[in-house]
Amino acid sequence: KQEVTQIPAALSVPEGENLVLNCSFTDSAIYNLQWFRQDPGKGLTSLLLIQSSQREQTSGRLNASLDKSSGRSTLYIAASQPGDSATYLCAVRTNAGKSTFGDGTTLTVKP
Amino acid sequence: EAQVTQNPRYLITVTGKKLTVTCSQNMNHEYMSWYRQDPGLGLRQIYYSMNVEVTDKGDVPEGYKVSRKEKRNFPLILESPSPNQTSLYFCASRAGLETQYFGPGTRLLVL
Repeated sequence: KQEVTQIPAALSVPEGENLVLNCSFTDSAIYNLQWFRQDPGKGLTSLLLIQSSQREQTSGRLNASLDKSSGRSTLYIAASQPGDSATYLCAVRTNAGKSTFGDGTTLTVKP
Repeated sequence: EAQVTQNPRYLITVTGKKLTVTCSQNMNHEYMSWYRQDPGLGLRQIYYSMNVEVTDKGDVPEGYKVSRKEKRNFPLILESPSPNQTSLYFCASRAGLETQYFGPGTRLLVL
């Protein structure tokens, strides 16, 4: 059974700092991995989707990497801003289409 | 605008009173699913549907029903709600194995 772990559970940084969020998964037979952002009481917004054949994806200040063989993905946020404060979740999807989510990392960026 | 909508957004009910949470998407997606999100347990899949008239159980289907009579709609039915179904519910849709789009969530309280 796929298990997805996100470390740390919470992170607080000063504005402007670069940071890395981690996601690890136990079964490397994945189809893709998706990073989401969730604001308190709100739905999930897709940030980046990495196919299993890709090593990384970039969107603005965000860069996600994938190392399928070691079961890891990282989300790099450059020059963090208070507006980046949210919970970040990763989800891995199998070839059969099933998604397993991590518990998320709650990020606070202090002005 | 491409979106997934859910109604109601907030609901307070009593044990045993049947309720339906509606979900609709305007992206012509084949795949739709329902999740619940609980503190410490993350997002867990309740039911999913690969296409019209095709539904299957997710990880936590007990106490829930779904139907998929039209491609755009995927209602979640609680025939006899119980307090342990108090949760934040999300509907999601996607085309094939690509990016998953989430609705804004329905916060349910069962007394």
